[in-house]
Amino acid sequence: DAKTTQPPSMDCAEGRAANLPCNHSTISGNEYVYWYRQIHSQGPQYIIHGLKNNETNEMASLIITEDRKSSTLILPHATLRDTAVYYCIVPNSGGSNYKLTFGKGTLLTVNP
Amino acid sequence: GAVVSQHPSWVICKSGTSVKIECRSLDFQATTMFWYRQFPKQSLMLMATSNEGSKATYEQGVEKDKFLINHASLTLSTLTVTSAHPEDSSFYICSARDARALKETQYFGPGTRLLVL
Repeated sequence: DAKTTQPPSMDCAEGRAANLPCNHSTISGNEYVYWYRQIHSQGPQYIIHGLKNNETNEMASLIITEDRKSSTLILPHATLRDTAVYYCIVPNSGGSNYKLTFGKGTLLTVNP
Repeated sequence: GAVVSQHPSWVICKSGTSVKIECRSLDFQATTMFWYRQFPKQSLMLMATSNEGSKATYEQGVEKDKFLINHASLTLSTLTVTSAHPEDSSFYICSARDARALKETQYFGPGTRLLVL
């Protein structure tokens, strides 16, 4: 399964854009990149996923490099409620079931 | 859409008793559900994959006789922690994959905090 590496922590000022990087240099051609986040004491929340093209939804944007070896999750206007651990995951195909392997993620702290 | 619930949200039990946790997909059918466990200050660890109508697949090191999983319908999976001990105290989280979706997105429940005394 493709492993991902993320910085352990980042800080961001409220109202500014938060850019969270992720390296996935061993990703294969048909593997997606998924982003989830976990706010303290809650279950993880799906944010966005992508394959090759950049993606945007109501929560965030996902920028994937052309070689697909890295990506950046962008929260355009971070709020205090965006403080959470953000996980970049390349699901592992275990037969017909895709497993999510959670690493340590990036703790994003949004400061007032 | 894509809401997953868990019940109970927290439970305290005595050592040696069994505890059942329910995971429901509220607005979609889930052929596959997953059970995770998270200890304090650690990341989520996958315990088992549950497919509707078949036996669960357990991850290495997870005792299938201790953590009983039943996925009897497309919207309900249950995890029973049998003969619970203090070391089983943890945050148990389920997720579900939409049977109709082409993508592999998992939607997570809010978690169940178990404390075994």
